[in-house]
Formats: sequence, structure tokens, C-alpha cells
Amino acid sequence: QQQVKQSPQSLIVQKGGISIINCAYENTAFDYFPWYQQFPGKGPALLIAIRPDVSEKKEGRFTISFNKSAKQFSLHIMDSQPGDSATYFCAASMMDSSYKLIFGSGTRLLVRP
Amino acid sequence: DTAVSQTPKYLVTQMGNDKSIKCEQNLGHDTMYWYKQDSKKFLKIMFSYNNKELIINETVPNRFSPKSPDKAHLNLHINSLELGDSAVYFCASSRSLVSSYNSPLHFGNGTRLTVT
Repeated sequence: QQQVKQSPQSLIVQKGGISIINCAYENTAFDYFPWYQQFPGKGPALLIAIRPDVSEKKEGRFTISFNKSAKQFSLHIMDSQPGDSATYFCAASMMDSSYKLIFGSGTRLLVRP
Repeated sequence: DTAVSQTPKYLVTQMGNDKSIKCEQNLGHDTMYWYKQDSKKFLKIMFSYNNKELIINETVPNRFSPKSPDKAHLNLHINSLELGDSAVYFCASSRSLVSSYNSPLHFGNGTRLTVT
């Protein structure tokens, strides 16, 4: 019930294309859904986050779409660039005593020039 | 100016040895964490400390012992290292105990531990 399932495991996109990464969760008590971006040799860094009372959050080329009824959320990267090539993690947490941010398994994105 | 810094960046050691990884954050955060990232990139929480108090202790072998001398530092000591301990270990911090919109996680750049 604590799991966050992420897909695809890897993704190759041409420069200028749209990258889409999907996540699904079971626990309806989750109330915070961040996405983290990790470059090789670096730690994950917060990219964008959403709360369940909002269906979409956009920051520049990055958009989170949230579907509460389906318990799914996705990251869309518009006009994907080679510099976006990284591993992306979705995550979820809730305001309870577990105090844990649960991460998805990660998606390795490669944007070809 | 690094917000969360951990040392060393690389650690190569033999089975059976004891090693430590140090972490410091200058963000003024109350909560610090250790995460383990395996070869498949999966991130799993190991420990969290809030104001020097142990909060989360996942199912981690007793050979792993965190120590928080103050709320800006969280070190990880590993006894009797095993081959399976090879991974990247990330330190992280957040403003408060629950990772939320106002208290996101900030990660260090990791320590790659290789046990031979």
C-alpha cells in the first residue's frame, strides 16, 4: 500500500519531442507528489511537485498532470532537450507518522540530438 | 556553498573492514536522512534523524549505525563491510520531519561505496 509504481524504466526521445513518465499509487492518504531529477554522479534534485487538490502544475517545460480518481500522476517534458537526459523519480508522502518519502523506481531518459 | 555535503565521494574497501561516511548540511534544516541507491537506481530510505533524534530506522542490518552529533551533521558508520553493501549512499535533509511542499528533500551528491 506504500508503493509508488513508475513507468517506463527507460525512455528515448528525439530532441524537441515530448517525454512522458507515469506513476501510480495505491494509498489515497498520500498528499504530496514531487518529481526528482538526477544527473550522473549527482544527487536527486527536486524538479517540480504537486498537491492532490490540483490537477495540473506547470513550470517552464515541465508539467505534472494529476488524476486523483485514477491514483495516477505523470511528468510531461515538452520540447525535450539533450540536457534533460537524466534519471527521473516520482515520489509520494503523507502527513502521518511514517515520515517517509516513497520513491518510484526511476526512469532513465535519453534525449537524442 | 554546497547545501548538503558528504565525504568521501568514493570509497573502495575490502570485505570485513569498517568505514564511515560523513554528512553536513548548512541549510538550517531539522531533519537529516540516509538513503541507499542500488545498481538499478532504486532509492531506499535507511535512517532519518530529527534534531539529533532517530526517527526512522528501516530494516537495515545492525552493522549500519548512524550518529548525529548535532542537527547539522549525520554520519554513517558501517561495520564488517560485505559485498552487498556496495551502492551509492545519499545524505539528505529537509526543513521538518515530514517531506512536504514546504519541506522538500535536499540531497548530497552521494558516496559511491565499493566493497571488494
